[in-house]
Amino acid sequence: SQQGEEDPQALSIQEGENATMNCSYKTSINNLQWYRQNSGRGLVHLILIRSNEREKHSGRLRVTLDTSKKSSSLLITASRAADTASYFCATDGSSNTGKLIFGQGTTLQVKP
Amino acid sequence: DGGITQSPKYLFRKEGQNVTLSCEQNLNHDAMYWYRQDPGQGLRLIYYSQIVNDFQKGDIAEGYSVSREKKESFPLTVTSAQKNPTAFYLCASSTRTSGAYNEQFFGPGTRLTVL
Repeated sequence: SQQGEEDPQALSIQEGENATMNCSYKTSINNLQWYRQNSGRGLVHLILIRSNEREKHSGRLRVTLDTSKKSSSLLITASRAADTASYFCATDGSSNTGKLIFGQGTTLQVKP
Repeated sequence: DGGITQSPKYLFRKEGQNVTLSCEQNLNHDAMYWYRQDPGQGLRLIYYSQIVNDFQKGDIAEGYSVSREKKESFPLTVTSAQKNPTAFYLCASSTRTSGAYNEQFFGPGTRLTVL
């Protein structure tokens, strides 16, 4: 079952612009995570935000979490061509088994 | 180097054959996971193991089997009962801190094609 829905499905921007991706989910969670996937590769973890946190930063990445709306956003500032990838949100569904439920992903293209 | 490895990178299977995908980690993680990814889609959980000698079905376990005899190894067998096995398979591992699971570390994936 797909817990998360991501919006938009695809995003194309110019280098230097900011990129915002949104994720909505259905059940309560312990944490929400964002991952990046370059074409044909494994996923790389970006940020984990716990249910009692509202905002988290890591370098050019900013993640927000609104548990009342069951939604999260990932902002990439000053984007670079190397940021071109697919971005996925994943939630644990409050199971505490380590299982993650992934969204369909947002494909980001950053044009040089 | 610490990490998680998968082999082979590409695998071709004839219909009716079983194949086994390898996943090894040297991160000393207790938990390991197998996901399937179809083109343009997110990941779907096949099986997971929270500790050695124990594993549970995920959302799409039919046609697959696993074993967890060693902490560092979690092989996935795609059986002939899996109707549409052509996909990209990803293995991951994670650990726990104060009872809560942390992020997952992923291997590079195995692309399986049924001929």
